[in-house]
Amino acid sequence: EDQVTQSPEALRLQEGESSSLNCSYTVSGLRGLFWYRQDPGKGPEFLFTLYSAGEEKEKERLKATLTKKESFLHITAPKPEDSATYLCAVAFSGSARQLTFGSGTQLTVLP
Amino acid sequence: GAVVSQHPSRVICKSGTSVKIECRSLDFQATTMFWYRQFPKKSLMLMATSNEGSKATYEQGVEKDKFLINHASLTLSTLTVTSAHPEDSSFYICSASLGRPYNEQFFGPGTRLTVL
Repeated sequence: EDQVTQSPEALRLQEGESSSLNCSYTVSGLRGLFWYRQDPGKGPEFLFTLYSAGEEKEKERLKATLTKKESFLHITAPKPEDSATYLCAVAFSGSARQLTFGSGTQLTVLP
Repeated sequence: GAVVSQHPSRVICKSGTSVKIECRSLDFQATTMFWYRQFPKKSLMLMATSNEGSKATYEQGVEKDKFLINHASLTLSTLTVTSAHPEDSSFYICSASLGRPYNEQFFGPGTRLTVL
């Protein structure tokens, strides 16, 4: 069964304390892995798309990487405004453009 | 670019009434739109996939007669919750795809529905 698992469920960091969020997947024929940020009471905001193992994307303090089994979202020197839930989703062969979402990592950055 | 709007952002209605939620892609044409439901502290649950000009495809367990979806144009999809009941109270979010296979989805801000 195709699955997407995110860890940890929740993460509390001090401002400036770098860390990584993990998204592991077991799908047949990965067609894309997507990272989103979601603030409470709002829709997910698109961050990155990764298509092949070895690919990396960066945006401000965030860097996403992809291997054949997992993706990492690295957060460098986070600030309180980075606090949010980070969602990972995958598209795979036969998914008809649908995304399978992980359960998310709730990140809290303390000042 | 790739902005998706939803209206209304919040709605409170009485049990038994119907509620319509609009989803619009503002700066691109979306051949495919998706409707999700999200429970507190949970991830997104796909309800249906909507293609312009054709009937929506509903996920297993989603009542198509309760959740009516219309995708009348390349920039507008609507979700109507018919005869709403308190258990339909939830956060409903739409997304739109640029149309190329397996591309990212861009999400609307969501609609909080409360049924009294």
